[in-house]
Amino acid sequence: DQQVKQNSPSLSVQEGRISILNCDYTNSMFDYFLWYKKYPAEGPTFLISISSIKDKNEDGRFTVFLNKSAKHLSLHIVPSQPGDSAVYFCAASAYTNAGKSTFGDGTTLTVKP
Amino acid sequence: DVKVTQSSRYLVKRTGEKVFLECVQDMDHENMFWYRQDPGLGLRLIYFSYDVKMKEKGDIPEGYSVSREKKERFSLILESASTNQTSMYLCASTQGAPNEKLFFGSGTQLSVL
Repeated sequence: DQQVKQNSPSLSVQEGRISILNCDYTNSMFDYFLWYKKYPAEGPTFLISISSIKDKNEDGRFTVFLNKSAKHLSLHIVPSQPGDSAVYFCAASAYTNAGKSTFGDGTTLTVKP
Repeated sequence: DVKVTQSSRYLVKRTGEKVFLECVQDMDHENMFWYRQDPGLGLRLIYFSYDVKMKEKGDIPEGYSVSREKKERFSLILESASTNQTSMYLCASTQGAPNEKLFFGSGTQLSVL
């Protein structure tokens, strides 16, 4: 049973527009959510996170929204830039699990100039 | 900045060979993890370690073992490589507090022929 799902394998947007990447989870014990970005031939790098006590966290062009009742989170990138083209992984962890993260399948974002 | 170094970027091995993947981190992190990344399957946890000489199975430990003789080094061992272990292997580390972000190495692309 996949506990973290990213249902869109790919997303293509125009430069300057908004990118919205979605993630759903099933385990109600998850209380911390993270987004990672991965370029080809590199390891994932941390992008932004949100605790379950919040519903929004913002960092520059990146905003993560959490809807606990729907077990859904989304990453908004505004405005999108060609350098944002990468694979984005959603991850979830539980305080009681000492930081062991469960990852989604990833969404490949392509931002067209 | 934290640096997680994986000894090889690319490896090609034969079926049945014993394979060692090495990972070293330079920030005195307590926790270390091994993930594999496959298309459409995201990142899956193989093994992790919260302390020297300590190890715990992740979600897909079959066919793998690990060694953590020193705090900074975490090795993944494929006892008898098989073709279904062809994958991108990613090492990661965190300080130890729950829900911390992971710092990843650049990955090792292993091909088993």
